[in-house]
Amino acid sequence: ETGVTQSPTHLIKTRGQQVTLRCSSQSGHNTVSWYQQALGQGPQFIFQYYREEENGRGNFPPRFSGLQFPNYSSELNVNALELDDSALYLCASSRDSHGNEQFFGPGTRLTVL
Amino acid sequence: SQQGEEDPQALSIQEGENATMNCSYKTSINNLQWYRQNSGRGLVHLILIRSNEREKHSGRLRVTLDTSKKSSSLLITASRAADTASYFCAAVSGGSNYKLTFGKGTLLTVNP
Repeated sequence: ETGVTQSPTHLIKTRGQQVTLRCSSQSGHNTVSWYQQALGQGPQFIFQYYREEENGRGNFPPRFSGLQFPNYSSELNVNALELDDSALYLCASSRDSHGNEQFFGPGTRLTVL
Repeated sequence: SQQGEEDPQALSIQEGENATMNCSYKTSINNLQWYRQNSGRGLVHLILIRSNEREKHSGRLRVTLDTSKKSSSLLITASRAADTASYFCAAVSGGSNYKLTFGKGTLLTVNP
């Protein structure tokens, strides 16, 4: 039990729709990272937020966006969903942005039909 | 792109045996981390080894790092059925903002 929670657990959307995934970080953690994990693959880094500012981004298009709030919660928004966006989305919080241990939530399984 | 690449992709052993997984990465790193994932759920941090360290122990885990070969290995001794999971290495690099780059993982099955 890491103290990081995500909602919802599962979600089904259709192509072209928009989705918002939510994460609640461990208390005191000012950094949150989001990952996309396709079936049979390792997690792929989407972006990281540090003190409510984007602090690094992976190779994902601008339709993937995020927000981090002062109360240790954060959101991942994906616009214009594509079939290939079907994956497990993981958030992870950490005490700082210096590449130390990350604490992962259980993930949100997104299916795009 | 995947920075860390684990080897083997799958490993099946008997309870009590040791399991060794290897990881290679491509660029300079600040540290390398190993994580475990059960059944497509969240990842659990196992151990972190910094670029200036060569070996680290934590309980039944032993991690080595060879920066000249850009490789790391994870040894789990006296394995248990509960160790059955996917294991990922994550290379950590970056200047002002650090990010974890994961490999595809090794699926370890420990048979009772």
